[in-house]
Amino acid sequence: AQKVTQAQTEISVVEKEDVTLDCVYETRDTTYYLFWYKQPPSGELVFLIRRNSFDEQNEISGRYSWNFQKSTSSFNFTITASQVVDSAVYFCAPLGEGQNFVFGPGTRLSVLP
Amino acid sequence: KAGVTQTPRYLIKTRGQQVTLSCSPISGHRSVSWYQQTPGQGLQFLFEYFSETQRNKGNFPGRFSGRQFSNSRSEMNVSTLELGDSALYLCASRAGTAGLRIAHTEAFFGQGTRLTVV
Repeated sequence: AQKVTQAQTEISVVEKEDVTLDCVYETRDTTYYLFWYKQPPSGELVFLIRRNSFDEQNEISGRYSWNFQKSTSSFNFTITASQVVDSAVYFCAPLGEGQNFVFGPGTRLSVLP
Repeated sequence: KAGVTQTPRYLIKTRGQQVTLSCSPISGHRSVSWYQQTPGQGLQFLFEYFSETQRNKGNFPGRFSGRQFSNSRSEMNVSTLELGDSALYLCASRAGTAGLRIAHTEAFFGQGTRLTVV
């Protein structure tokens, strides 16, 4: 069975601060694909970053990066130099059996000017 | 290229009625998935269609159904609406793959249809 935990319900930071969002993904699978999505107030989910189990390095895409800690099954997502437009709900979403996403509960990020 | 289009954006229905939601995926994408988002249950997978065939289904009652047309456009239908069906329904488009191999590409989502059942 898979379990996705995003312990942080809400986070507030001041613009230009770095912010890290936590995700714990418990699975017995040795091959997995894990995604981060952002949901702004407009409603659509926007793809941010992806990690595959066979990735050698943590991925960096612009201001987004993430860090994998195998010992704790943590896939933490970091936004560098946050901006007000980063305010949204962020979801950690591994691919489950059958190719559908299994979304975590989400973390609401507020970036204050 | 055009993104994922969902219609209508907002809908108000009465308990007991039925409703049909539409999703047009990105051109060339053959996989369309539907998700329900509610404050209490979060984002939950409804079903996925690939080349007009339902390939996977979530844990929802039979009142929820869907279909996909030859142009990859998809519709989902909810019959005998209940108050608890009030939610944001999101459609996801992916290039997809045939067979059982996991498609690890990202999905592109529409803005959703917000359904309110009164």
